[in-house]
Amino acid sequence: GENVEQHPSTLSVQEGDSAVIKCTYSDSASNYFPWYKQELGKRPQLIIDIRSNVGEKKDQRIAVTLNKTAKHFSLHITETQPEDSAVYFCAAYKLNDMRFGAGTRLTVKP
Amino acid sequence: EAQVTQNPRYLITVTGKKLTVTCSQNMNHEYMSWYRQDPGLGLRQIYYSMNVEVTDKGDVPEGYKVSRKEKRNFPLILESPSPNQTSLYFCASSWSSTGDQPQHFGDGTRLSIL
Repeated sequence: GENVEQHPSTLSVQEGDSAVIKCTYSDSASNYFPWYKQELGKRPQLIIDIRSNVGEKKDQRIAVTLNKTAKHFSLHITETQPEDSAVYFCAAYKLNDMRFGAGTRLTVKP
Repeated sequence: EAQVTQNPRYLITVTGKKLTVTCSQNMNHEYMSWYRQDPGLGLRQIYYSMNVEVTDKGDVPEGYKVSRKEKRNFPLILESPSPNQTSLYFCASSWSSTGDQPQHFGDGTRLSIL
């Protein structure tokens, strides 16, 4: 089955800096790649997603890039703020099967 | 308000005592799914359902059962719970029957099996 690896597992940045989280997947048939943010004690919530026919997508301070050839995709957060502190999960979807990465704990220091 | 509701939110029980975690969504979504979340392992899919009476195994289905008799409800059943099923469980739903759309998660159910 699909295997999704996510790096780094923890990331600490200074407020205003950028943060990048990377994921790799194993199955080239995967075609949908969402990113979820989970604040402490809360539910995961979708922040951005991308499909395999698109290379990049941006929503304000958040962007996702996808490299199908290399089978990796990345989340970019610019101008980070303390409220961006959370655990971020990437996922890869193929034929009813959604696989998540292990998560990245992002801490933004004021 | 559009939401996915799970009950109970917390449960401590003993090995072997059957339990059911309920999940209900009010968005008329086709697809529903159960995940368990364990430290360092992310979210792992247990079972999913593409529509009423259509269910299938996810990544870690052993020890769990589900049913989808109505579109809005997707209960998770642990017939004989064991300590390795102690975890945080999330139910999720999506409007697309195939699940390749944003998923809406419930607030989670923390299960402790002693």
